[in-house]
Amino acid sequence: SQQGEEDPQALSIQEGENATMNCSYKTSINNLQWYRQNSGRGLVHLILIRSNEREKHSGRLRVTLDTSKKSSSLLITASRAADTASYFCATDPGGSYIPTFGRGTSLIVHP
Amino acid sequence: KAGVTQTPRYLIKTRGQQVTLSCSPISGHRSVSWYQQTPGQGLQFLFEYFSETQRNKGNFPGRFSGRQFSNSRSEMNVSTLELGDSALYLCASSLAGVTGSTEAFFGQGTRLTVV
Repeated sequence: SQQGEEDPQALSIQEGENATMNCSYKTSINNLQWYRQNSGRGLVHLILIRSNEREKHSGRLRVTLDTSKKSSSLLITASRAADTASYFCATDPGGSYIPTFGRGTSLIVHP
Repeated sequence: KAGVTQTPRYLIKTRGQQVTLSCSPISGHRSVSWYQQTPGQGLQFLFEYFSETQRNKGNFPGRFSGRQFSNSRSEMNVSTLELGDSALYLCASSLAGVTGSTEAFFGQGTRLTVV
């Protein structure tokens, strides 16, 4: 099974609304990362949060990490139609340099 | 700087054939990882090469193999293709092990269709 699992599987919102996606994982990690993938294309790195960090911001993105609950959330504020994509969380189970991905959240932002 | 380049972008092969996919990482990156992405299984890790050595391997049959050259370019090979090998194959490069960060930069992928 996947190390990370995103929730919800799909999210549909209107432009201007906020979008929140969650990621749960199973084993201890060094880092957790979020990626975006536009349809059928490669993944784009959004943000990396280390296991000793609790919150990180990048533009309209806010990521939180709760290692006690083994979960992370990605908040996209004031969403735009261009944010329509699949979003993946990736963890690197302790000692591994390999990002292990969840199945992703498919976000649709309606103009 | 140039990004990760994967060639070819699209490929159609017949069952039983073999295929070789190529990945040129970002200059200075020594780690190259390969992933298979399908609608049913999501992103599955195939293997990782670091300085020409396979460092990690996912749970795929021996028909899937790879290698890395001294310039860090990597190839993956799939022999005796099966219909289920149809997927988007993604390559990612990273510094991994130098900065402690595992931020990966992905190529656009090779869409393989097996008929």
